[in-house]
Amino acid sequence: GQNIDQPTEMTATEGAIVQINCTYQTSGFNGLFWYQQHAGEAPTFLSYNVLDGLEEKGRFSSFLSRSKGYSYLLLKELQMKDSASYLCVPSDSNYQLIWGAGTKLIIKP
Amino acid sequence: IAGITQAPTSQILAAGRRMTLRCTQDMRHNAMYWYRQDLGLGLRLIHYSNTAGTTGKGEVPDGYSVSRANTDDFPLTLASAVPSQTSVYFCASSEGEPGANVLTFGAGSRLTVL
Repeated sequence: GQNIDQPTEMTATEGAIVQINCTYQTSGFNGLFWYQQHAGEAPTFLSYNVLDGLEEKGRFSSFLSRSKGYSYLLLKELQMKDSASYLCVPSDSNYQLIWGAGTKLIIKP
Repeated sequence: IAGITQAPTSQILAAGRRMTLRCTQDMRHNAMYWYRQDLGLGLRLIHYSNTAGTTGKGEVPDGYSVSRANTDDFPLTLASAVPSQTSVYFCASSEGEPGANVLTFGAGSRLTVL
């Protein structure tokens, strides 16, 4: 089967750094997305990795290791507005997205 | 502002009633999707359309129907609503296949079936 494993919830402090890990098993692989979803709102795109390595975009970075079925999202200089759920979404061999429940990140002052 | 408009934002519906959730995009995206999101679960694909005039079934299509008469509109119809269809419904679009293109989501429609 296809599945995603992310921590259900994480807590971090404003100004700190947090890493959200994701392991996945898919039938084939065509890239991995990270989406952010604030409570009561729609998901919004953060990053896309298709090759191994680190993609940096401002305070957010995403890493992919295809051989390990592993990705992480790194958030630096945390702000209160970063409190949200973070969704790790791999794409399988048919370009179908596999959605999990995501990681709820709580930022404390 | 370019994006996706969903209506209604919220609706309470009696079981057995027919309901259509509207979705309109102004980005000229080829592909459109309907997802439902339930507490503690990931998004589940209901129906999709790769281009105007075509539709396909997703993971949880039973009890729902869609149409794609033109590029911009992708309504979702519940023919006879049941309480298990209580959920938040998101419409989304992308330029091409979802697995290789960014999805843009509407703000969602919260539906309660009593």
